[in-house]
Formats: sequence, structure tokens, C-alpha cells
Amino acid sequence: GQSLEQPSEVTAVEGAIVQINCTYQTSGFYGLSWYQQHDGGAPTFLSYNALDGLEETGRFSSFLSRSDSYGYLLLQELQMKDSASYFCAVRRPHAGKSTFGDGTTLTVKP
Amino acid sequence: DTAVSQTPKYLVTQMGNDKSIKCEQNLGHDTMYWYKQDSKKFLKIMFSYNNKELIINETVPNRFSPKSPDKAHLNLHINSLELGDSAVYFCASSQDGGAAYNEQFFGPGTRLTVL
Repeated sequence: GQSLEQPSEVTAVEGAIVQINCTYQTSGFYGLSWYQQHDGGAPTFLSYNALDGLEETGRFSSFLSRSDSYGYLLLQELQMKDSASYFCAVRRPHAGKSTFGDGTTLTVKP
Repeated sequence: DTAVSQTPKYLVTQMGNDKSIKCEQNLGHDTMYWYKQDSKKFLKIMFSYNNKELIINETVPNRFSPKSPDKAHLNLHINSLELGDSAVYFCASSQDGGAAYNEQFFGPGTRLTVL
């Protein structure tokens, strides 16, 4: 079967750096993606890693280690608007197949 | 222009009723999905259609029946609604290309409340 593990909650202060980890066990793996969801909103795409290493997009970076079945999302210079849920998702070799983790609720405090 | 739209946004109904949720995407994508997000915010895939063909059907009660009249539409019909069906249902679409990843675009969600 497949499973993804990520922390359920993380709290940090404005301006800080936070890392949200995701470990996965899956049969077949193409890559790891991250989505952000604000309360009452829809999930929106943040990043995708198919190869090992770090991908940077502005204040957000995502990392993947395929050998460790592990990835993380790094958020820098935290802002209040970053308070949201963050989901990692494994892309599997089946048309359209992505399995989502249970999500991490990030709370940014002043 | 809205990329992925769903109607209705809110749906309140009694147990035992039958209801439908509609989804349309104007992105030209060939894959569409239905997800269920429960009160704990767990996001679970229910169905996936590729070019109007059902390709993923997770363990979902057969009271749920998706229908894709064309590539741009994926509707969800639910029979004999139960209390446990209360959730937010998200439609999404993507353009799938094998190993290459194409982000999923989500609709605004339909909040279903079964009384």
C-alpha cells in the first residue's frame, strides 16, 4: 500500500524559517509535490520534485531524497499569510494518480 | 475566467436524498478528479477520469457515481445520502503526460451537509 507521513501541526513566528517533513512508502514513485490550502479555500500547487535535490521558488523551497523516501518543504521569512495547511503528495505511475498526505497545519504567530 | 468551477458551492440536504455536484474545467486538460475532504482536512481521491474514461476508482461506496459527458465535465451523483457523506468535495483537473508532473488545478469546493 501507500502511506505518507507529515506532522499534523507546526507553529512558528513571523520572519522565522520552518521545515515541514514528509516521508512516504509507495509502490511506484514518480515524484513528490506540495500543495497549500488556506482555510475555506482550495488546494493550490506549490512545487514538484522528481529528482533528488532542492528546488527553490521565492521564499519556498522543496527537497527530495528518493533513496530515503523523504522530502521537505522549507518556508523562509514566514509571513502571517503563510498560515495554512500544507500537503505533500506522491505522484505514482498511473495516469492522474497522486496520493496526498494528511496535511500539516502551519500557524504563524506575530 | 474560472479555470475549474463547481456548482453548487453549498449543499444542505436530508439523509436519504439524492444529489448531484457539477464540475467544469476550461483548461483543456484531459484528466479530472473528485476528492473528498473531511472535517479533519484529510484529502482523499475518489475518482479520476482521463478523456472521459474512468481510470481510478478508490474504495468509494457505489452510492457515488461519477459521470463524464465530455473531457471538460465531470459530475458526481450521490444516492441515498448518509450523515458520513458530509464533507467538502473538490473537483480538480490536470494535463497528464506520463512521468512528467502536471499540477492539479482544484475547483473551489462544494460543502455538503447531510442532516
